[in-house]
Amino acid sequence: NAGVTQTPKFRILKIGQSMTLQCTQDMNHNYMYWYRQDPGMGLKLIYYSVGAGITDKGEVPNGYNVSRSTTEDFPLRLELAAPSQTSVYFCASSSNDIPHEQYFGPGTRLTVT
Amino acid sequence: DAKTTQPTSMDCAEGRAANLPCNHSTISGNEYVYWYRQIHSQGPQYIIHGLKNNETNEMASLIITEDRKSSTLILPHATLRDTAVYYCIVRVPFSGYQKVTFGTGTKLQVIP
Repeated sequence: NAGVTQTPKFRILKIGQSMTLQCTQDMNHNYMYWYRQDPGMGLKLIYYSVGAGITDKGEVPNGYNVSRSTTEDFPLRLELAAPSQTSVYFCASSSNDIPHEQYFGPGTRLTVT
Repeated sequence: DAKTTQPTSMDCAEGRAANLPCNHSTISGNEYVYWYRQIHSQGPQYIIHGLKNNETNEMASLIITEDRKSSTLILPHATLRDTAVYYCIVRVPFSGYQKVTFGTGTKLQVIP
């Protein structure tokens, strides 16, 4: 199993540009999550999904959109990038059975200038 | 989620066992203990979990006291690659919205 994979690893955006961060998991997990982590800070939940076709907002959804058309993929869309979105973005999935431990991808380091 | 207390930092000699303590004195009966770690610039990594019994997997062992008020993560033969921040989390394993909240954790430095 590759686990959770994310692309790209790094990206520099100009203010106002848009992009999609890709996330794929091969563990057949129903639950998937997008987090952001600012330097020296903890994780903040952006969006999550409990299954294909079902998504919901986390703590900091503004400026982002998600979709979940398949079990495997959970892309995160940034519209009109702003410097405040400079961060490291982690995708995660959690097992379907208790205790629902989470598995994280390697992250995408995004800089908006 | 129950509050956890961990030392801020620890050192361990390479090849020796690293014992990372976690206090969770307010844990309730249906809360699990989870351990994750984050190596610098990488994604957090799940290590192990337990409810009541001691657990072991290929990465580590988890020792939970009989009253469940504290636990210890043991890395049996620490290597330089184990240098990371280790997080102890106590929570009920809900399905659905399961934001993982990491506290400050223990920064483990493995020394050659």
